[in-house]
Amino acid sequence: AQSVTQPDIHITVSEGASLELRCNYSYGATPYLFWYVQSPGQGLQLLLKYFSGDTLVQGIKGFEAEFKRSQSSFNLRKPSVHWSDAAEYFCAVGAASGYSTLTFGKGTMLLVSP
Amino acid sequence: DVKVTQSSRYLVKRTGEKVFLECVQDMDHENMFWYRQDPGLGLRLIYFSYDVKMKEKGDIPEGYSVSREKKERFSLILESASTNQTSMYLCASSFFQSSYNSPLHFGNGTRLTVT
Repeated sequence: AQSVTQPDIHITVSEGASLELRCNYSYGATPYLFWYVQSPGQGLQLLLKYFSGDTLVQGIKGFEAEFKRSQSSFNLRKPSVHWSDAAEYFCAVGAASGYSTLTFGKGTMLLVSP
Repeated sequence: DVKVTQSSRYLVKRTGEKVFLECVQDMDHENMFWYRQDPGLGLRLIYFSYDVKMKEKGDIPEGYSVSREKKERFSLILESASTNQTSMYLCASSFFQSSYNSPLHFGNGTRLTVT
């Protein structure tokens, strides 16, 4: 069975500082990997996704993520955080074949300090 | 732009009541999903449907049922609400079978409180 671990429940970053949110996955075959963001009072919005090819993927809002197969990781990064980035971030994994549902991590809440 | 609309933003129900949570999508998506979101537990899949009148159990189906009579509408039913079903419920839809080519589009959620 597939699973996702987000080790950090909360992270606080100063505005303008860089950000890295960690995600580790467990899946027996080639996974689809996703990052979603949930702003307060909203549903989830897709930031970026990865299946194959270049292991560094670019997403919306200036986010990027790097797939490292040897570490089973798909960490999300942003070079300079803005106050509007304060939200909850979810990593998710899906199967690469057949009908696919996503398995989500428990989320990381990002707080941005002035 | 895809719109997934959940009929209620906040709902308060009493223990033992039958509760209906409604979700409508406007993009002719094949697949629809109900997730439950709880602090510290993330999103957990309750049920999903890949076609009209079809349904599949997710990870936590106990105490819930679903109905999909029309392609655009997917209802979550709590037959007899209990306090441990107090939660945020998120509906989502997607077009293709493959999750990569068709990411999930989420509604804004229904926060259900059972007293």
